[in-house]
Amino acid sequence: RKEVEQDPGPFNVPEGATVAFNCTYSNSASQSFFWYRQDCRKEPKLLMSVYSSGNEDGRFTAQLNRASQYISLLIRDSKLSDSATYLCVVIPLTGGATNKLIFGTGTLLAVQP
Amino acid sequence: NAGVTQTPKFQVLKTGQSMTLQCAQDMNHEYMSWYRQDPGMGLRLIHYSVGAGITDQGEVPNGYNVSRSTTEDFPLRLLSAAPSQTSVYFCASSTIGGTEEAFFGQGTRLTVV
Repeated sequence: RKEVEQDPGPFNVPEGATVAFNCTYSNSASQSFFWYRQDCRKEPKLLMSVYSSGNEDGRFTAQLNRASQYISLLIRDSKLSDSATYLCVVIPLTGGATNKLIFGTGTLLAVQP
Repeated sequence: NAGVTQTPKFQVLKTGQSMTLQCAQDMNHEYMSWYRQDPGMGLRLIHYSVGAGITDQGEVPNGYNVSRSTTEDFPLRLLSAAPSQTSVYFCASSTIGGTEEAFFGQGTRLTVV
C-alpha cells in the first residue's frame, strides 16, 4: 500500500464549480500535511499547509482528519487558472531532523470554460 | 531572489554515461533533497541531506550518489546511466522542522537512450 494515496483523476469541472479532492495516508505518526500545486512541466509549489483545525485561504479550504487519516482540499468557484495537478504531501514523524516529504501521485484538475 | 537553481534543464545521455545534476540554493536552508518524478508514481525521494557533510538515502537511491560539501550545493551524480533513470528530477530545499515550505528547482528532464 502506498504511504499517500490520491485519486489521480482527471477531474473535469466547469468554471464556477466546487470540487473536492481527498487523500489518505498510512503512517499514523505523520506530523505535517500540505497541498502542493504542480502546473504542467513545472516544479511543485506550496498551495497551503493543512492544520488539524482546518484552514481556509480564499477559495481553498483544507481539512485534516487524523482519526481517519485523510486530508481534503475543497476549491470553490473554480477558475480556469486552477487547472493543475494537486499533490498531497505528508511529512512523517521520524527520530531525526528531516523534512522527508512523501508525495501522493497527484490529482489532475481540468477546469473547462 | 534565485531560490533553488537546478541545471541542466534538459539532458540526453547514452546508456553507461555518467553525469552530474547541479542544485544550488541561496536561502541558507539546512535540508536539501533530490526527487524523481515518473508518470503514475509521484515524486520519490532519492537522497537527502540535513546539512553540510551529512547525506542519507531515500526511497530510490540505487544508481545515484550525492555529496554536500557546502550548505548551498547538493549535486546528484548518475554513475552509469540506464534507461530506467529516464525521468524528471527535482531538487528541493527547506528549513528543518517539518512545518515549512519546501522550495523546488525547475527540474531536469533526463532521457537515457
